[in-house]
Amino acid sequence: SAVISQKPSRDICQRGTSLTIQCQVDSQVTMMFWYRQQPGQSLTLIATANQGSEATYESGFVIDKFPISRPNLTFSTLTVSNMSPEDSSIYLCSVETLAGETQYFGPGTRLLVL
Amino acid sequence: AQSVTQLDSQVPVFEEAPVELRCNYSSSVSVYLFWYVQYPNQGLQLLLKYLSGSTLVKGINGFEAEFNKSQTSFHLRKPSVHISDTAEYFCAVTGTSYGKLTFGQGTILTVHP
Repeated sequence: SAVISQKPSRDICQRGTSLTIQCQVDSQVTMMFWYRQQPGQSLTLIATANQGSEATYESGFVIDKFPISRPNLTFSTLTVSNMSPEDSSIYLCSVETLAGETQYFGPGTRLLVL
Repeated sequence: AQSVTQLDSQVPVFEEAPVELRCNYSSSVSVYLFWYVQYPNQGLQLLLKYLSGSTLVKGINGFEAEFNKSQTSFHLRKPSVHISDTAEYFCAVTGTSYGKLTFGQGTILTVHP
């Protein structure tokens, strides 16, 4: 498994602002993912963070709203841009093991937009 | 594409009773199956996984699950639950050649004293 940390753990933001969430892994991994968990809901994949190239977004999610960076094999950021109250969610990053079959999750970032 | 259905949104049980959380999936390709647990205000923790081989898999905290290909099910069981098992449990599936996880809606397990 991998040890994954996220910063910040929680935040309260004003609408119209942006927040960047960091995800750090203690070992090199091939795949990193970003998920959203809306209140009382399950997890939905936002995008796959690709090292050295643009992220791959799922249907319903766009780069302008959720820009993602992945500068190396252990770090990624997700920015939630021009936030509205509907963006209030838990945002989780996950990583896939080198064997390529299991994802491990970070502790999540709890975001409240007022 | 895959989909996952967790048949019970909430399961209340008494401490030391057995529990089964039901999960059915659909997929046109071979799959890997997972159960994750989310304790209040925490991230997701992997409970167990089925990749191949024996259809009965054992995980952490005394949980086990059985993969039934003919019924496309992957039910989670524990013979005797504890108060500390109170959490939300998610069943998830991915195709064997692509890492996108598809999650079920979750089952909230509440263990009463």
